[in-house]
Amino acid sequence: DIQMAQSPSSLSASVGDRVTITCRASQSIITYLSWYQQKPGKVPKLLIYAASSLVSGVPSRFSGSGSGTYFTLTISSLQPEDFASYYCLQTYSRPPYTFGQGTKLE
Amino acid sequence: EAQLVESGGGLMHPGGSLRLSCAASGFTFSSYDMHWVRQATGKGLEWVSAIRTAGDTYYSGSVKGRFTISRENNKNLLVLQLNGLRVGDTAVYYCARESQGDAFDIWGQGTVVTVSS
Repeated sequence: DIQMAQSPSSLSASVGDRVTITCRASQSIITYLSWYQQKPGKVPKLLIYAASSLVSGVPSRFSGSGSGTYFTLTISSLQPEDFASYYCLQTYSRPPYTFGQGTKLE
Repeated sequence: EAQLVESGGGLMHPGGSLRLSCAASGFTFSSYDMHWVRQATGKGLEWVSAIRTAGDTYYSGSVKGRFTISRENNKNLLVLQLNGLRVGDTAVYYCARESQGDAFDIWGQGTVVTVSS
């Protein structure tokens, strides 16, 4: 099974900061990588799919990059509503699929 | 508007069984691969199971042999049968749609499963 190592597990930041979260896959997943935002008590929300494609309606301060085994989610200028947990998900080939351990942005 | 609504959660003793349902609306259910994802309190997201449009099924190692996923396309219904429940299965269970971009674009609101003696 493919393992996903997400870092950091928590990140202290301030409004206006540029933040980057990384996910590393245990083998190449090409660009079968998506990013999700989850606020406390809420349902996960898809932000980015295919490693770098922004979902319609998601602010352009969010961006994704990477391929193969190394991926990043960057928030260019942190806004108050961005304080949440973030997860990567690999959907390469057949399941089982794997989420990263999550990053809590606080 | 595409929507998923889960039901069937509850409080069970270890070893018990439960049937979770996910009702889909607003899209052609039979055209999408569907998934179950769970999240224990204060923990991260864990992929649980998937069923393809063609009916192929997949499970995480932690539930394989105990959980069974199925779909009833004529009723727009996704089902997860949970048998041999363990305390470690306690979580919010979400159903999710896999989009054309191989991501989970639609999520239900979740149903809570609690396993306790």
